[in-house]
Amino acid sequence: DAKTTQPNSMESNEEEPVHLPCNHSTISGTDYIHWYRQLPSQGPEYVIHGLTSNVNNRMASLAIAEDRKSSTLILHRATLRDAAVYYCTGRGGGADGLTFGKGTHLIIQP
Amino acid sequence: DTGVSQDPRHKITKRGQNVTFRCDPISEHNRLYWYRQTLGQGPEFLTYFQNEAQLEKSRLLSDRFSAERPKGSFSTLEIQRTEQGDSAMYLCASSLGGSAYEQYFGPGTRLTVT
Repeated sequence: DAKTTQPNSMESNEEEPVHLPCNHSTISGTDYIHWYRQLPSQGPEYVIHGLTSNVNNRMASLAIAEDRKSSTLILHRATLRDAAVYYCTGRGGGADGLTFGKGTHLIIQP
Repeated sequence: DTGVSQDPRHKITKRGQNVTFRCDPISEHNRLYWYRQTLGQGPEFLTYFQNEAQLEKSRLLSDRFSAERPKGSFSTLEIQRTEQGDSAMYLCASSLGGSAYEQYFGPGTRLTVT
């Protein structure tokens, strides 16, 4: 199965950039790296995904290391609504479902 | 709202009873996934369908768990003879395809077994 390693928690100030790291050395070379976030008592929300090159969308940017063993989710200007648990994930063991770790609990200070 | 929906949102049952949960995916999505999430953990993949075919079921937690997607649209997850350890959030997600596509999750069904 794909195994991911993320910090348990991170704290940032509102309106500042946030860089959330993830190590994922076991995600295979052909599988996309996905990031999701989750608020309490809600289902995970898709944030961004990519394969090899850096990706941008309206929510965030994803920087993928050249060796694909790690990636960084970048929130350019954090708001209080960005406070959530963030998961990096990928497919596990050939099955199509995603393998999640415990994620990073992001705290945003006003 | 055209997102993924799940029913019921909450279910309380006594140990030993059977429960069934329903998931309605986004209409054009051919892939449907079930996950379980316990407190403080990330979601745990259980099974998935491509249209009506169940392509992976070895991750189902025991033979008390089964899932169907009879016409390739909605899906049901059944747990027979529930145990207290089955108490968790059960999440459904759908997507247009495999790893290259994002998954959209429903709000989940919270199961409490007393």
